Amino acid sequence: GENVEQHPSTLSVQEGDSAVIKCTYSDSASNYFPWYKQELGKRPQLIIDIRSNVGEKKDQRIAVTLNKTAKHFSLHITETQPEDSAVYFCAASNARTGGFKTIFGAGTRLFVKA
Amino acid sequence: DARVTQTPRHKVTEMGQEVTMRCQPILGHNTVFWYRQTMMQGLELLAYFRNRAPLDDSGMPKDRFSAEMPDATLATLKIQPSEPRDSAVYFCASGPLRLLLGTDTQYFGPGTRLTVL
Repeated sequence: GENVEQHPSTLSVQEGDSAVIKCTYSDSASNYFPWYKQELGKRPQLIIDIRSNVGEKKDQRIAVTLNKTAKHFSLHITETQPEDSAVYFCAASNARTGGFKTIFGAGTRLFVKA
Repeated sequence: DARVTQTPRHKVTEMGQEVTMRCQPILGHNTVFWYRQTMMQGLELLAYFRNRAPLDDSGMPKDRFSAEMPDATLATLKIQPSEPRDSAVYFCASGPLRLLLGTDTQYFGPGTRLTVL
């Protein structure tokens, strides 16, 4: 069945450094790729998303890249801050047909050390 | 700003009891999802509704779990009988599927933390 693999499972960086989280997906029909941030004890919240007709998208310190050929997509956080510490989930879905579910990665726990 | 709401926020029950969790999606959203989150399994999709019709509930143990949408403002997830292994946080999410834009953004509720003793 459909699968999304996410790496690394844990990432520790120094404040101010960059953090990169990578995901691969198996369903070539996937065309929508959201990223969610979940702080401890809280709900997952959408932070950025990308559609398959776009290779890269940026929003302030976060950016996502998509390589449809390789079925890879990545989240990049620059100038990390302690408040970026959270669990990050990638996901993939086929949003054009409306009949497919969103598959989530297993999550990456990011620690930003002050 | 509009948010998905879930009740109860916390539930402690004994094994064998029935548990009902409720979700109110954001008004106008036509897709509703139920997820279960545990440390070991991450975010597992249990069931998925579009325009109140169940599209996929393959992630749900059929013998004890059931999910329904009696109307557009209420989704329910029921466990009967509950077991200790059901202890988890159950999230509901809703979204405005935009087929023309090719997006399927989901907005999560605060979750119901279930403990089955």
